[in-house]
Amino acid sequence: GENVEQHPSTLSVQEGDSAVIKCTYSDSASNYFPWYKQELGKRPQLIIDIRSNVGEKKDQRIAVTLNKTAKHFSLHITETQPEDSAVYFCAASSPDSWGKLQFGAGTQVVVTP
Amino acid sequence: DAGVIQSPRHEVTEMGQEVTLRCKPISGHDYLFWYRQTMMRGLELLIYFNNNVPIDDSGMPEDRFSAKMPNASFSTLKIQPSEPRDSAVYFCASRSPGGLSGNTIYFGEGSWLTVV
Repeated sequence: GENVEQHPSTLSVQEGDSAVIKCTYSDSASNYFPWYKQELGKRPQLIIDIRSNVGEKKDQRIAVTLNKTAKHFSLHITETQPEDSAVYFCAASSPDSWGKLQFGAGTQVVVTP
Repeated sequence: DAGVIQSPRHEVTEMGQEVTLRCKPISGHDYLFWYRQTMMRGLELLIYFNNNVPIDDSGMPEDRFSAKMPNASFSTLKIQPSEPRDSAVYFCASRSPGGLSGNTIYFGEGSWLTVV
């Protein structure tokens, strides 16, 4: 089955700097890669996703890139703000997995003022 | 839509007691997932259903755990008997139809279970 590895496990950045989180996946058939943000005590919520037919997607200060050859994808947050502090999860799913998402272990992002 | 609704939000129970967690998926969604989240193991998929039928229960830790989905708008996750190591946040999530992958999974607010 699919295996997703996520790095780093913790990330501390100064407000205004950029944050990058990287994930690798094992199943070359995976074609859907969402990113979820989970604030303390709350549910995971989708912030951005990418499908395998595109290499990059942006939404304001966040962007995701996908390298299918290397089987890795990354989340980029620019101009970080204190409200970006949360745990971020990457995930992957393949057409033969019935929509089941395999999540990475999560990255705790702390944005310091 | 109210989103995925879970109950109870918080439960504290004594070891050995039966625990039942409940979930109402988003109307029209035909996939339902039960996840468990702990600090040590992260987000684990326990079981998921498609059109009320269990598809994969390989994540269910042991026979003390069982899940049902009697209709499209209701699912339960039961732990009997409960143990302290079952303490975790249990999330229910649902997804719309329209393909084998590529659709957003929406999480409920979670049920925070503490077994003492």
